Amino acid sequence: DTAVSQTPKYLVTQMGNDKSIKCEQNLGHDTMYWYKQDSKKFLKIMFSYNNKELIINETVPNRFSPKSPDKAHLNLHINSLELGDSAVYFCASSHERGSTDTQYFGPGTRLTVL
Amino acid sequence: DQQVKQNSPSLSVQEGRISILNCDYTNSMFDYFLWYKKYPAEGPTFLISISSIKDKNEDGRFTVFLNKSAKHLSLHIVPSQPGDSAVYFCAASKWAGGGADGLTFGKGTHLIIQP
Repeated sequence: DTAVSQTPKYLVTQMGNDKSIKCEQNLGHDTMYWYKQDSKKFLKIMFSYNNKELIINETVPNRFSPKSPDKAHLNLHINSLELGDSAVYFCASSHERGSTDTQYFGPGTRLTVL
Repeated sequence: DQQVKQNSPSLSVQEGRISILNCDYTNSMFDYFLWYKKYPAEGPTFLISISSIKDKNEDGRFTVFLNKSAKHLSLHIVPSQPGDSAVYFCAASKWAGGGADGLTFGKGTHLIIQP
């Protein structure tokens, strides 16, 4: 039983395309997140979201948008892909939004923009 | 602006010995600290955490120490086992009155346990 799953695991696409990465959690958590791990290996928060509030990291371009069809899913849509978007994207979830809630991560999606 | 720093990109330790991984932070608003372990092609998995009101937390072979005045924490693994070989990320978070903005991670330390 995979707690947090992401699809696809690998995504190779051309510059300028629009793509989506799906994330699902079966933990019954209320809060989900997207992180980006860049070429320098830094893991950085992009979004945190629950049914009440979306918090966006101010450095994230508006080409990135999270979409949540229900509490168990938070998909990441990326428009007009750029070379610099190449990275590994991790989805995560936690029971509630709070500093002491453990976040559980998905396996990651490696995005390569050509 | 690196708020969480892991200055050792890699660490090699002999099996059975103690592994000590270090982490420094700059933001005094951080009040909760975590260690995550990551294997290749997998997501980070939670290992152990510590609240800023404590200076030590222990879970089996893993102990985390927090020195708030020095803004420093460390993870001790005793005894080290081959399965401990992985990248270890230090992370921190700050309470924002219900609107936490996610974890701030260090760059990770690649721990290699040698037989």
